[in-house]
Amino acid sequence: QVQLQESGPRLVKPSETLSLTCTLSGASFSTHYWSWIRQPPGKGLEWIGYVYYTGKTKYNPSLQSRLSISIDTSKNQFSLNLRSVTAADTAVYYCARAGSGLSDIGDWGQGTLVTVSS
Amino acid sequence: QSAPTQPASVSGSPGQSITISCTGTSSDVGRYNLVSWFQQDPGKVPKLLIYEVYKRPSGISNRFSGSKSGNTASLTISGLQAEDEADYYCSSYADTTVVFGGGTKVTVL
Repeated sequence: QVQLQESGPRLVKPSETLSLTCTLSGASFSTHYWSWIRQPPGKGLEWIGYVYYTGKTKYNPSLQSRLSISIDTSKNQFSLNLRSVTAADTAVYYCARAGSGLSDIGDWGQGTLVTVSS
Repeated sequence: QSAPTQPASVSGSPGQSITISCTGTSSDVGRYNLVSWFQQDPGKVPKLLIYEVYKRPSGISNRFSGSKSGNTASLTISGLQAEDEADYYCSSYADTTVVFGGGTKVTVL
């Protein structure tokens, strides 16, 4: 059974970098797209981007200039770094596993609320 | 890259059928048969209901069905039940990225 668990600081100051890690258990990294999705409080879902097990990445164009996603298969982890954050980046951040269609996101972490505030 | 449009809310009585639309463009919904639907209860993690327009993951009730015509995808919930009250989101592959619809709140009257 696939399990995904987000970890990282819950509070980040404006202009700093939001860093989250997702730890995978119950599966291997191959053949799926390891994704990040966020949801601001009371709002809808926003796709952030993915990393493939080869290290190939693709990002939401609206976040691309501030974003990097990486993978460490030896640690069973993939990570998100979002630079120069503002209050608009406050959201529940989910890590997830997507199939070959990219939008078929079948497995999700529990999500972690990250607040951007001084 | 713009979000597909969903109605803000849809309601129905128990036992009825309702349909939620997801209108995109020829660059996402209209171009690819890679539309998914998710159900999200308040404070919970989204759950995949439909993928590749009409396919259901194991364990998903056949009361949920998906279809697509042109740039619009649809999710139909048949035999509406109180437990179906939730937020529903569509998503689509869109030229190497993914876009989510704005979400639809389903109310069971």
